[in-house]
Amino acid sequence: GAVVSQHPSRVICKSGTSVKIECRSLDFQATTMFWYRQFPKKSLMLMATSNEGSKATYEQGVEKDKFLINHASLTLSTLTVTSAHPEDSSFYICSARVASYTEAFFGQGTRLTVV
Amino acid sequence: DQQVKQNSPSLSVQEGRISILNCDYTNSMFDYFLWYKKYPAEGPTFLISISSIKDKNEDGRFTVFLNKSAKHLSLHIVPSQPGDSAVYFCAASARGGSNYKLTFGKGTLLTVNP
Repeated sequence: GAVVSQHPSRVICKSGTSVKIECRSLDFQATTMFWYRQFPKKSLMLMATSNEGSKATYEQGVEKDKFLINHASLTLSTLTVTSAHPEDSSFYICSARVASYTEAFFGQGTRLTVV
Repeated sequence: DQQVKQNSPSLSVQEGRISILNCDYTNSMFDYFLWYKKYPAEGPTFLISISSIKDKNEDGRFTVFLNKSAKHLSLHIVPSQPGDSAVYFCAASARGGSNYKLTFGKGTLLTVNP
């Protein structure tokens, strides 16, 4: 199957700083990527849909100024958590899907800890 | 409003027996369904999918059944193996649209005991 690579796998940052997470599709072009967040023992919560060359579409309740998404190319989307706070600590996962009626491929996830 | 529901948060079965994971959905626009397996601190791994034109899809030990009238699908794993122990997510997507968004259930933790 297709490969989606996410980096870094874990990051610890100080409260008030910003953290960037990268998501790359390694062997296919993804016009659309998705960013999810997973709290402990909870489901995958879709945060936003990242569209190449245009603005991301955020889900209700997700602060777009806090979670900046950039999809500058067909193989790279980035999520920047700005002015991170301890409550932003979570597991963030990206995914890409090439077409309808196909599976979505997920990155390995990023464990963010804000101290 | 939860459009994809996995009402059993956990399931425990013996090695060699059948595991049956259930999923219900409410959105009649959903026409493609997927099952993912997830280990802690890793991204989900795709297992099997089914489109609404079918009622069964089989891949090795994994079979997904779809009952459109009941808006219900299930994943059967037989025989179950200890390595199958993980959280299983049901997901669905709707026809049309251009962003291929998936809606996930809350997951079921499967434990296969040796």
